[in-house]
Amino acid sequence: QVQLVQSGAEVKKPGASVKVSCKASGYTFVGYYIHWVRQAPGQGLEWMGWINPNSGTTNYAQKFQGRVTMTGDTSISTAYMEVSRLRSDDTAVYYCARDRSGPYDLWGQGTLVTVSS
Amino acid sequence: EIVLTQSPGTLSLSPGERATLSCRAGQSVSGNYLAWYQQKPGQPPRLLFYGAYNRATGIPDRFSGSGSGTDFTLTISRLEPEDSAVYYCQHYDTSPYTFGQGTKLEIK
Repeated sequence: QVQLVQSGAEVKKPGASVKVSCKASGYTFVGYYIHWVRQAPGQGLEWMGWINPNSGTTNYAQKFQGRVTMTGDTSISTAYMEVSRLRSDDTAVYYCARDRSGPYDLWGQGTLVTVSS
Repeated sequence: EIVLTQSPGTLSLSPGERATLSCRAGQSVSGNYLAWYQQKPGQPPRLLFYGAYNRATGIPDRFSGSGSGTDFTLTISRLEPEDSAVYYCQHYDTSPYTFGQGTKLEIK
């Protein structure tokens, strides 16, 4: 079954870091870029960046540069997205999505990250 | 950065009616690299169209996409209750791959 399965919800304190995983199955992991998109409560979708799992090359939205790190482990077909120095406005559902040469044809179920003191 | 502006913000229509959703780009989207997504509460987005008018797998032909350059449209004919959702456009021309703010479609 072709799917992306993300790790579970997280609660973090301001200033901490969080690392969300996205495990791919049913397709060739290195054949598709993985993008990360987040959605704050009641808000729209915000693009964060992408990783090429084959090469490890990344491209981050300027807003997140220096605070977000995307990595991949091809041995277990898993992509990771880490956000450091968390703030309350980082509270959101974080999605990974498969890039089908542009559009996202496959999405993870989402991971809620709550930042609260 | 390409800014996408969607209108209207909210659309309230009855079953059987036609919905017309607009997505306007602040600059031309080359190659018509524009996608539409549908998102229902508690679910991830679902791809509807790519390349402005290419229907994704499993999308009913009641849905159609059109447009080019800076003006794009998603049309849903013969609305059904299950079409109630938020619809987003996104370009994948050049980074950052921004989304519009969304149009909420309510079926009365």
